[in-house]
Amino acid sequence: AQSVTQLDSQVPVFEEAPVELRCNYSSSVSVYLFWYVQYPNQGLQLLLKYLSGSTLVESINGFEAEFNKSQTSFHLRKPSVHISDTAEYFCAVRRANRDDKIIFGKGTRLHILP
Amino acid sequence: NAGVTQTPKFRVLKTGQSMTLLCAQDMNHEYMYWYRQDPGMGLRLIHYSVGEGTTAKGEVPDGYNVSRLKKQNFLLGLESAAPSQTSVYFCASKSRAGVGSGANVLTFGAGSRLTVL
Repeated sequence: AQSVTQLDSQVPVFEEAPVELRCNYSSSVSVYLFWYVQYPNQGLQLLLKYLSGSTLVESINGFEAEFNKSQTSFHLRKPSVHISDTAEYFCAVRRANRDDKIIFGKGTRLHILP
Repeated sequence: NAGVTQTPKFRVLKTGQSMTLLCAQDMNHEYMYWYRQDPGMGLRLIHYSVGEGTTAKGEVPDGYNVSRLKKQNFLLGLESAAPSQTSVYFCASKSRAGVGSGANVLTFGAGSRLTVL
């Protein structure tokens, strides 16, 4: 079975500073990886996804994530955060050959400090 | 443009009471999911369905039952509520692999906050 580990439950960072949210996965087969974001008092929405091809994927609001198969990681990065990035971020995984079950990590709460 | 709608948004129950959460989607998605979200635990999959009339257990199915009698609806039932089931419940749906560009994207509802006293 696949699993996801988000190493940090909370990450404080100053506005305009860079940030990295870590995600590691475990699976015996090929996987698809996702980052979802949950803004306060809202449901989750997709931020970006890796299915195949280029290992670096980007979102429309400046986030990027890199799939690293050897390190089984899919860390999320942004070079300069804004107060509006305050949210909880969830890494998720599903098996590439089975599209039903999607498993989420425990989430990382990003605190932007003024 | 409703997407995924959950009802009710808030509910308070007493231990032992029963209730049903309703999830409705208008995107003709084959797959539907129920997750619970608890502080420090992230989202945990309760049950899911890959089509009308089918259901499957997720990570934490005990104490819950589900039904998918219609493609657009996925019901989550608590037969005898316990304080441990106090949580925020999220429904999500997606299309089957190979069906459109959204096959890998979950669409979430706004959540249902349940408190069991």
